[in-house]
Amino acid sequence: DTEVTQTPKHLVMGMTNKKSLKCEQHMGHRAMYWYKQKAKKPPELMFVYSYEKLSINESVPSRFSPECPNSSLLNLHLHALQPEDSALYLCASSPIGGSYEQYFGPGTRLTVT
Amino acid sequence: QKEVEQNSGPLSVPEGAIASLNCTYSDRGSQSFFWYRQYSGKSPELIMFIYSNGDKEDGRFTAQLNKASQYVSLLIRDSQPSDSATYLCAVKEEYGNKLVFGAGTILRVKS
Repeated sequence: DTEVTQTPKHLVMGMTNKKSLKCEQHMGHRAMYWYKQKAKKPPELMFVYSYEKLSINESVPSRFSPECPNSSLLNLHLHALQPEDSALYLCASSPIGGSYEQYFGPGTRLTVT
Repeated sequence: QKEVEQNSGPLSVPEGAIASLNCTYSDRGSQSFFWYRQYSGKSPELIMFIYSNGDKEDGRFTAQLNKASQYVSLLIRDSQPSDSATYLCAVKEEYGNKLVFGAGTILRVKS
């Protein structure tokens, strides 16, 4: 089973709203990732958690706040976003070691109005 | 700055032909290489990964790696219209678990 699930599938939020994106995997992977993808561009890494600890923050604005409550769950808390933050937000997971192959979830399509 | 280069395409091939997708990378220390397929509006799907020089085959897909030339390719045999998608090449940095993605190649298979 190589499934990563994400909720919600679609999200529309205003610039003053607070919302959260959720991601779950049951592959026993100990690395989880958040990516942002704009149309016709490759995924852009935002955050990496390794063994439930934040290991990479790609200088992401503080209006994005990641959280890893346990080894299966990853959240992305959103607050005071801008219209340019509208994008497909992808979660991925991978083993740590071996080939580190990353499996992506279906994504959350976010629109900021 | 570590880079992964791909021809953006579109690469057009007739149904039943072999599609050849290419990728070069700058980080000589990279050890793991990945091909993802992404349909419009969907998330990337891992279709192949390779870490040893030579060829790796899985069904209609063959990944080829040449570390000396810093070159990775993906061959799709008997191409089908359903193979029409953007193919992303990704390279794992030498240390850690970060992937560097190429910009992707658009493949169109015409029936």
